[in-house]
Amino acid sequence: AQSVTQLDSQVPVFEEAPVELRCNYSSSVSVYLFWYVQYPNQGLQLLLKYLSGSTLVKGINGFEAEFNKSQTSFHLRKPSVHISDTAEYFCAVSDGQNFVFGPGTRLSVLP
Amino acid sequence: GAVVSQHPSRVICKSGTSVKIECRSLDFQATTMFWYRQFPKQSLMLMATSNEGSKATYEQGVEKDKFLINHASLTLSTLTVTSAHPEDSSFYICSPGPMNTEAFFGQGTRLTVV
Repeated sequence: AQSVTQLDSQVPVFEEAPVELRCNYSSSVSVYLFWYVQYPNQGLQLLLKYLSGSTLVKGINGFEAEFNKSQTSFHLRKPSVHISDTAEYFCAVSDGQNFVFGPGTRLSVLP
Repeated sequence: GAVVSQHPSRVICKSGTSVKIECRSLDFQATTMFWYRQFPKQSLMLMATSNEGSKATYEQGVEKDKFLINHASLTLSTLTVTSAHPEDSSFYICSPGPMNTEAFFGQGTRLTVV
């Protein structure tokens, strides 16, 4: 079984500042890792995913994440955030069949 | 990626009535459909998995007689909330499967029971 922890339920940050959203996971098997973004009253949109290969993954909207196997982490980063990045962000893991989502982190970008 | 159409996006119904939510996989043959429920400020919780041509499997604690799931074809799955009560008010999201290396989601349905 897999589990996902997102330590920060809310992250306020000023516009144009860098941000890091933390994600840690546990699993007894190899997993795929994902970050999804959810805007109010909408479904989830894929930001990026790690399947294999390079541990640094670049996604849409200027986001990137780094897979660290030894620390079982997959933290999401953006060097300069915009007001439009305000949303809920979910980290997820999959063993290829089942998806498990983290509790989510609310990113609020302040002007 | 797969295109998923879910509707209605919002529905308000009276307590005791039933509501049907449709999820269509427009360019992908979905042998399974995952139905999630999301309470405010919380993550997605898997409710049930529908299987084309067979019975759905429900997660522990989810009433199968209350949340009726039908998966009649490879492109359509429906979730019917029967005899809805205010505590059923939530955001419901579908996701076609099998997922393999990525999950795609419908736009979600905001159900409000008054």
